[in-house]
Amino acid sequence: SAVISQKPSRDICQRGTSLTIQCQVDSQVTMMFWYRQQPGQSLTLIATANQGSEATYESGFVIDKFPISRPNLTFSTLTVSNMSPEDSSIYLCSVRTALTNDYGYTFGSGTRLTVV
Amino acid sequence: ILNVEQSPQSLHVQEGDSTNFTCSFPSSNFYALHWYRWETAKSPEALFVMTLNGDEKKKGRISATLNTKEGYSYLYIKGSQPEDSATYLCASGSGGYQKVTFGIGTKLQVIP
Repeated sequence: SAVISQKPSRDICQRGTSLTIQCQVDSQVTMMFWYRQQPGQSLTLIATANQGSEATYESGFVIDKFPISRPNLTFSTLTVSNMSPEDSSIYLCSVRTALTNDYGYTFGSGTRLTVV
Repeated sequence: ILNVEQSPQSLHVQEGDSTNFTCSFPSSNFYALHWYRWETAKSPEALFVMTLNGDEKKKGRISATLNTKEGYSYLYIKGSQPEDSATYLCASGSGGYQKVTFGIGTKLQVIP
Protein backbone atom coordinates (compact mmCIF):
# COMPACT_ATOMS: atom_id res chain seq x y z
CA SER A 1 0.00 0.00 0.00
CA ALA A 2 1.01 3.64 -0.43
CA VAL A 3 3.20 5.44 2.10
CA ILE A 4 2.33 9.05 2.89
CA SER A 5 4.72 11.58 4.43
CA GLN A 6 2.88 14.43 6.11
CA LYS A 7 4.38 17.54 7.64
CA PRO A 8 4.49 19.33 9.93
CA SER A 9 3.56 16.75 12.55
CA ARG A 10 2.44 19.47 14.95
CA ASP A 11 2.39 23.22 15.27
CA ILE A 12 1.22 25.96 17.58
CA CYS A 13 0.05 29.01 15.67
CA GLN A 14 -1.19 32.48 16.47
CA ARG A 15 -4.76 33.34 15.56
CA GLY A 16 -5.07 35.19 12.29
CA THR A 17 -2.10 33.43 10.69
CA SER A 18 -2.09 30.61 8.12
CA LEU A 19 -0.50 27.17 8.10
CA THR A 20 0.24 25.00 5.08
CA ILE A 21 0.27 21.23 5.53
CA GLN A 22 2.06 19.05 2.98
CA CYS A 23 1.50 15.44 1.97
CA GLN A 24 3.83 13.45 -0.24
CA VAL A 25 2.76 10.01 -1.51
CA ASP A 26 5.29 7.42 -2.70
CA SER A 27 3.14 6.49 -5.71
CA GLN A 28 0.88 8.27 -8.16
CA VAL A 29 -2.74 8.57 -7.05
CA THR A 30 -5.71 10.19 -8.70
CA MET A 31 -7.46 11.47 -5.59
CA MET A 32 -6.20 12.66 -2.25
CA PHE A 33 -8.54 13.32 0.66
CA TRP A 34 -8.14 15.86 3.45
CA TYR A 35 -9.77 15.21 6.84
CA ARG A 36 -10.06 17.09 10.11
CA GLN A 37 -10.75 15.78 13.59
CA GLN A 38 -11.74 18.42 16.08
CA PRO A 39 -11.48 17.51 19.78
CA GLY A 40 -14.19 15.03 20.72
CA GLN A 41 -15.49 14.81 17.16
CA SER A 42 -15.28 12.28 14.34
CA LEU A 43 -12.94 12.45 11.36
CA THR A 44 -14.65 14.78 8.90
CA LEU A 45 -13.85 15.07 5.21
CA ILE A 46 -12.84 18.61 4.23
CA ALA A 47 -12.25 18.14 0.51
CA THR A 48 -11.12 15.81 -2.24
CA ALA A 49 -8.06 16.96 -4.20
CA ASN A 50 -7.83 15.97 -7.85
CA GLN A 51 -4.78 16.58 -9.97
CA GLY A 52 -5.43 19.13 -12.69
CA SER A 53 -8.76 20.40 -11.41
CA GLU A 54 -10.27 22.33 -8.52
CA ALA A 55 -10.70 20.50 -5.25
CA THR A 56 -14.20 19.40 -4.31
CA TYR A 57 -15.23 20.75 -0.90
CA GLU A 58 -17.73 19.18 1.50
CA SER A 59 -20.62 21.08 2.99
CA GLY A 60 -19.39 23.55 5.57
CA PHE A 61 -15.91 23.93 4.10
CA VAL A 62 -14.89 26.65 1.64
CA ILE A 63 -11.91 27.25 -0.57
CA ASP A 64 -11.09 30.64 0.95
CA LYS A 65 -10.61 29.05 4.36
CA PHE A 66 -8.97 25.78 3.22
CA PRO A 67 -7.21 26.34 -0.13
CA ILE A 68 -5.78 23.14 -1.59
CA SER A 69 -3.09 22.62 -4.19
CA ARG A 70 -2.51 19.43 -6.18
CA PRO A 71 0.34 20.17 -8.59
CA ASN A 72 1.03 16.52 -9.48
CA LEU A 73 -0.11 12.97 -8.78
CA THR A 74 2.09 12.50 -5.69
CA PHE A 75 1.77 15.76 -3.75
CA SER A 76 -0.88 17.98 -2.19
CA THR A 77 -1.06 20.84 0.29
CA LEU A 78 -3.86 22.09 2.52
CA THR A 79 -3.69 25.62 3.94
CA VAL A 80 -5.66 26.58 7.03
CA SER A 81 -6.17 30.31 6.58
CA ASN A 82 -6.86 33.11 9.05
CA MET A 83 -6.83 30.64 11.91
CA SER A 84 -8.95 30.84 15.02
CA PRO A 85 -8.91 28.59 18.11
CA GLU A 86 -11.79 26.60 16.55
CA ASP A 87 -9.34 25.38 13.90
CA SER A 88 -7.36 23.49 16.55
CA SER A 89 -7.62 19.94 15.25
CA ILE A 90 -5.76 16.99 13.83
CA TYR A 91 -5.53 17.28 10.05
CA LEU A 92 -4.96 14.13 7.98
CA CYS A 93 -4.45 13.44 4.32
CA SER A 94 -5.32 10.07 2.85
CA VAL A 95 -5.48 8.06 -0.36
CA ARG A 96 -7.46 4.98 -1.35
CA THR A 97 -5.41 1.87 -1.03
CA ALA A 98 -5.89 -1.70 -2.20
CA LEU A 99 -6.38 -4.19 0.61
CA THR A 100 -6.75 -7.96 0.22
CA ASN A 101 -10.19 -7.94 -1.38
CA ASP A 102 -11.27 -4.33 -1.44
CA TYR A 103 -10.16 -0.74 -1.00
CA GLY A 104 -9.56 1.11 2.24
CA TYR A 105 -7.65 4.27 3.03
CA THR A 106 -4.03 4.93 3.89
CA PHE A 107 -3.46 8.00 6.03
CA GLY A 108 -0.61 10.35 6.70
CA SER A 109 0.61 10.58 10.28
CA GLY A 110 -1.41 13.73 10.89
CA THR A 111 -0.76 17.36 11.77
CA ARG A 112 -1.73 18.33 15.30
CA LEU A 113 -2.59 22.01 15.17
CA THR A 114 -3.15 24.25 18.18
CA VAL A 115 -4.26 27.82 17.57
CA VAL A 116 -3.69 30.27 20.43
CA ILE B 1 -29.79 6.19 11.64
CA LEU B 2 -28.42 9.19 9.72
CA ASN B 3 -24.87 9.12 11.05
CA VAL B 4 -22.30 6.49 11.89
CA GLU B 5 -22.49 5.79 15.60
CA GLN B 6 -20.04 3.84 17.73
CA SER B 7 -20.43 2.50 21.24
CA PRO B 8 -19.08 2.60 23.79
CA GLN B 9 -17.02 5.76 23.35
CA SER B 10 -14.37 4.41 25.69
CA LEU B 11 -13.66 1.34 27.77
CA HIS B 12 -10.99 -0.13 29.97
CA VAL B 13 -10.37 -3.87 30.06
CA GLN B 14 -7.88 -6.07 31.84
CA GLU B 15 -5.14 -7.78 29.88
CA GLY B 16 -6.42 -11.15 28.70
CA ASP B 17 -10.08 -10.14 28.64
CA SER B 18 -12.04 -10.29 25.40
CA THR B 19 -14.08 -7.29 24.33
CA ASN B 20 -16.27 -6.02 21.55
CA PHE B 21 -17.65 -2.74 20.25
CA THR B 22 -20.48 -1.73 17.98
CA CYS B 23 -20.77 0.40 14.87
CA SER B 24 -24.21 1.43 13.60
CA PHE B 25 -24.60 2.93 10.13
CA PRO B 26 -27.33 3.85 7.63
CA SER B 27 -28.43 0.63 5.92
CA SER B 28 -29.90 2.34 2.87
CA ASN B 29 -27.66 2.60 -0.19
CA PHE B 30 -24.86 0.81 1.71
CA TYR B 31 -21.59 0.14 -0.08
CA ALA B 32 -18.83 -0.72 2.40
CA LEU B 33 -17.93 -0.71 6.10
CA HIS B 34 -14.37 0.01 7.21
CA TRP B 35 -12.63 -0.54 10.54
CA TYR B 36 -9.42 1.32 11.47
CA ARG B 37 -7.11 1.26 14.47
CA TRP B 38 -5.63 4.62 15.46
CA GLU B 39 -2.82 4.59 17.98
CA THR B 40 -1.73 7.83 19.61
CA ALA B 41 0.80 9.81 17.52
CA LYS B 42 0.44 7.39 14.61
CA SER B 43 -1.72 7.30 11.49
CA PRO B 44 -4.98 5.33 11.34
CA GLU B 45 -4.36 1.79 10.10
CA ALA B 46 -6.93 -0.12 8.05
CA LEU B 47 -8.09 -3.34 9.73
CA PHE B 48 -11.00 -4.52 7.59
CA VAL B 49 -13.20 -3.47 4.71
CA MET B 50 -16.45 -5.42 4.41
CA THR B 51 -19.13 -5.16 1.78
CA LEU B 52 -21.34 -8.27 1.98
CA ASN B 53 -24.13 -8.90 4.46
CA GLY B 54 -23.03 -11.64 6.84
CA ASP B 55 -19.35 -11.01 6.10
CA GLU B 56 -16.95 -11.99 8.84
CA LYS B 57 -13.26 -11.11 8.72
CA LYS B 58 -10.39 -11.99 11.01
CA LYS B 59 -6.88 -10.65 11.57
CA GLY B 60 -5.04 -12.41 14.36
CA ARG B 61 -7.03 -11.88 17.56
CA ILE B 62 -9.31 -9.27 15.98
CA SER B 63 -12.44 -10.12 14.03
CA ALA B 64 -15.43 -8.22 12.67
CA THR B 65 -18.94 -9.06 11.50
CA LEU B 66 -21.34 -7.15 9.27
CA ASN B 67 -25.13 -6.92 9.09
CA THR B 68 -26.09 -4.61 6.26
CA LYS B 69 -29.85 -5.19 6.56
CA GLU B 70 -30.04 -3.79 10.08
CA GLY B 71 -26.99 -1.53 9.73
CA TYR B 72 -24.48 -2.68 12.32
CA SER B 73 -21.01 -4.17 12.62
CA TYR B 74 -19.24 -5.65 15.61
CA LEU B 75 -15.49 -5.64 16.24
CA TYR B 76 -14.18 -8.33 18.59
CA ILE B 77 -10.79 -8.53 20.27
CA LYS B 78 -9.93 -11.84 21.88
CA GLY B 79 -7.49 -11.90 24.77
CA SER B 80 -6.76 -8.15 24.81
CA GLN B 81 -3.13 -7.09 25.10
CA PRO B 82 -1.70 -3.68 26.10
CA GLU B 83 -0.62 -3.12 22.49
CA ASP B 84 -4.31 -3.24 21.50
CA SER B 85 -4.80 0.08 23.28
CA ALA B 86 -5.95 2.49 20.58
CA THR B 87 -9.01 4.23 19.20
CA TYR B 88 -11.00 2.00 16.86
CA LEU B 89 -12.83 3.85 14.11
CA CYS B 90 -15.51 2.56 11.82
CA ALA B 91 -16.52 4.27 8.59
CA SER B 92 -19.46 3.64 6.31
CA GLY B 93 -19.50 4.19 2.58
CA SER B 94 -22.71 4.58 0.65
CA GLY B 95 -23.53 5.34 -2.95
CA GLY B 96 -20.10 5.89 -4.48
CA TYR B 97 -17.12 4.20 -2.90
CA GLN B 98 -14.80 7.18 -2.85
CA LYS B 99 -16.10 8.77 0.35
CA VAL B 100 -16.89 7.36 3.74
CA THR B 101 -18.40 8.78 6.93
CA PHE B 102 -16.53 8.07 10.15
CA GLY B 103 -17.88 7.39 13.60
CA ILE B 104 -16.39 9.10 16.63
CA GLY B 105 -14.45 5.99 17.60
CA THR B 106 -14.16 3.68 20.59
CA LYS B 107 -11.11 4.36 22.74
CA LEU B 108 -9.82 1.12 24.23
CA GLN B 109 -7.33 0.95 27.06
CA VAL B 110 -5.98 -2.45 28.05
CA ILE B 111 -4.66 -2.49 31.60
CA PRO B 112 -1.67 -4.80 32.21
